[in-house]
Amino acid sequence: QVHLVESGGGLVKPGGSLRLSCAASGFTFSDYYMSWIRQAPGKGLEWVSYISSSGLNIHYVDSVKGRFTISRDNAKNSLYLQMNSLRAEDTAVYYCARVGHCGDDCTKFDYWGQGTLVTVSS
Amino acid sequence: DIQMTQSPSSLSASVGDRVTIACQASQDISNYLSWYQQKPGKAPKLLIYGASNLETGVPSRFTGSGSGTDFIFIISSLQPEDIASYYCQQYDNLPLTFGGGTKVEMK
Repeated sequence: QVHLVESGGGLVKPGGSLRLSCAASGFTFSDYYMSWIRQAPGKGLEWVSYISSSGLNIHYVDSVKGRFTISRDNAKNSLYLQMNSLRAEDTAVYYCARVGHCGDDCTKFDYWGQGTLVTVSS
Repeated sequence: DIQMTQSPSSLSASVGDRVTIACQASQDISNYLSWYQQKPGKAPKLLIYGASNLETGVPSRFTGSGSGTDFIFIISSLQPEDIASYYCQQYDNLPLTFGGGTKVEMK
């Protein structure tokens, strides 16, 4: 079965960096777009970034552009999020999610990891 | 950016009740809308995509409808395991955006 496991979260000071990882199993990782979605404590969901199956097509929400970098290693079935210049408002649980196959114009997040908490505080 | 507005933000209902949640997009998104369920401390779970398509394995008491700017999510007969927050999400335009959520509690 599909399994996504995030790691790499933790406490970091403002301006610091962190690299999140998401290990995928149970499906052909290289066939799927992947995404990062976050949730600040007690708040709603916010899409952060997605990456195409090849890694060539990448998009970010404006608030993280220039600071975060999404990448993937299809040989290792892994998704990454490099987060630099972290701010207090980046504090959240970060989920990796698979973008399911449902047509060219469809973006459904059909599987999610359990999330990893990133806390940005001095 | 497309703003997604959900209402109500919370509701209280009894077992067996019909529960209705509305989601309005700030512009036409056709049927490019998903609904997710999130239980406390857990990751969200996809329930519906394409506004009305039930994800595999999701109980048929969950339904979605609508197109354009106005969408409805219905739980036809609330069960104790449906206590959760529910989010709509548009995928017509980047950035992908979610509604603010609706917390469903048991009366």
